[in-house]
Amino acid sequence: DGGITQSPKYLFRKEGQNVTLSCEQNLNHDAMYWYRQDPGQGLRLIYYSQIVNDFQKGDIAEGYSVSREKKESFPLTVTSAQKNPTAFYLCASSIEAGGNQPQHFGDGTRLSIL
Amino acid sequence: AQSVTQLGSHVSVSEGALVLLRCNYSSSVPPYLFWYVQYPNQGLQLLLKYTSAATLVKGINGFEAEFKKSETSFHLTKPSAHMSDAAEYFCAVSGYSSASKIIFGSGTRLSIRP
Repeated sequence: DGGITQSPKYLFRKEGQNVTLSCEQNLNHDAMYWYRQDPGQGLRLIYYSQIVNDFQKGDIAEGYSVSREKKESFPLTVTSAQKNPTAFYLCASSIEAGGNQPQHFGDGTRLSIL
Repeated sequence: AQSVTQLGSHVSVSEGALVLLRCNYSSSVPPYLFWYVQYPNQGLQLLLKYTSAATLVKGINGFEAEFKKSETSFHLTKPSAHMSDAAEYFCAVSGYSSASKIIFGSGTRLSIRP
């Protein structure tokens, strides 16, 4: 079955450490997205990519970095500059970028601080 | 600029009762509107989408939503609640252009009483 796979499901970060969250899709979608979810705040966009080798900052990009070297992969790195990284991170994809395209979501990675 | 407001962070209904989850949007252009559902520790799943073809939109699991332009609302309803409907529900809005991003509401947690 086609879908989005996020790994790991749970991740712990030490002070000063960078960690990378994996997101892989086999839906042949051009656009991919990373969101951060905090209780009571809904989803906030971190980065998005409309096509391979291209990506743009979302609303809360500071302290995060991404790459899009392959169509199916969009990893997110949470750097040590992100001082409050504890959250639920969701990766999504859509056939193409654009407001009318619904997004398909992975099951998330929960990041906590040790 | 677009925004979406979900009225009520928590709604509780009895099994078999009507479910009504409220969503109001703000948009300077005709919007696309979505409802998503999220079960614990999972990603979001699309329930339904409004794209201007019809004001009453039917979705999965017996849910439907009605677009009311005069009230800038897109409320989600289900005639008879089931225990399996307990989840968090997100309303979202976006615009027409390829650069448009989906803006999510803060979510409404639906509880079902036996």
